[in-house]
Amino acid sequence: QKEVEQNSGPLSVPEGAIASLNCTYSDRGSQSFFWYRQYSGKSPELIMFIYSNGDKEDGRFTAQLNKASQYVSLLIRDSQPSDSATYLCAVIDSTLTFGKGTMLLVSP
Amino acid sequence: DAGITQSPRHKVTETGTPVTLRCHQTENHRYMYWYRQDPGHGLRLIHYSYGVKDTDKGEVSDGYSVSRSKTEDFLLTLESATSSQTSVYFCAVGQGNGYTFGSGTRLTVV
Repeated sequence: QKEVEQNSGPLSVPEGAIASLNCTYSDRGSQSFFWYRQYSGKSPELIMFIYSNGDKEDGRFTAQLNKASQYVSLLIRDSQPSDSATYLCAVIDSTLTFGKGTMLLVSP
Repeated sequence: DAGITQSPRHKVTETGTPVTLRCHQTENHRYMYWYRQDPGHGLRLIHYSYGVKDTDKGEVSDGYSVSRSKTEDFLLTLESATSSQTSVYFCAVGQGNGYTFGSGTRLTVV
């Protein structure tokens, strides 16, 4: 069974700093990787997905993928208090398998 | 939210009773999914559907059944609710580019 591992946190960063969220996965054959953000009491929302090794940037967000190390990360630049949420890493085979999420707290 | 409506939004039910949750989508997605989310376990797939009358089990399917008689509706039934099924249930649609989630149903079994 596929496993997706994330540090539960909380990860605390000051406003304006870079937040780095990490994820490892067990299935070496996994091809597509996703980052979701979930505010407390709300549903998950897709932030980014990445298929290829390397970096993918979208605004303040950068996803990084290293298939050899089975490692995915999400960098959030210029972190804002509104970024405080739980970030879920997910891997797709036939269906999406999620990690348990990392809580991010951004302090003003 | 990709036109996904879950009903009810909240429900309290008694142990042993059957419960049906509904997911309705308006964008003609072929694939639909039911997940449950619990503290310490994250999101876990219960069942999914890849077309009308085509369904398959997920990781935590015991005690649940599903039906999809129309493209737009995917029903999740707890055949005899237990306290361990107290959870937040999310419906989702989508495929390889990621899923879009509904707002969720908070179910409490007492």
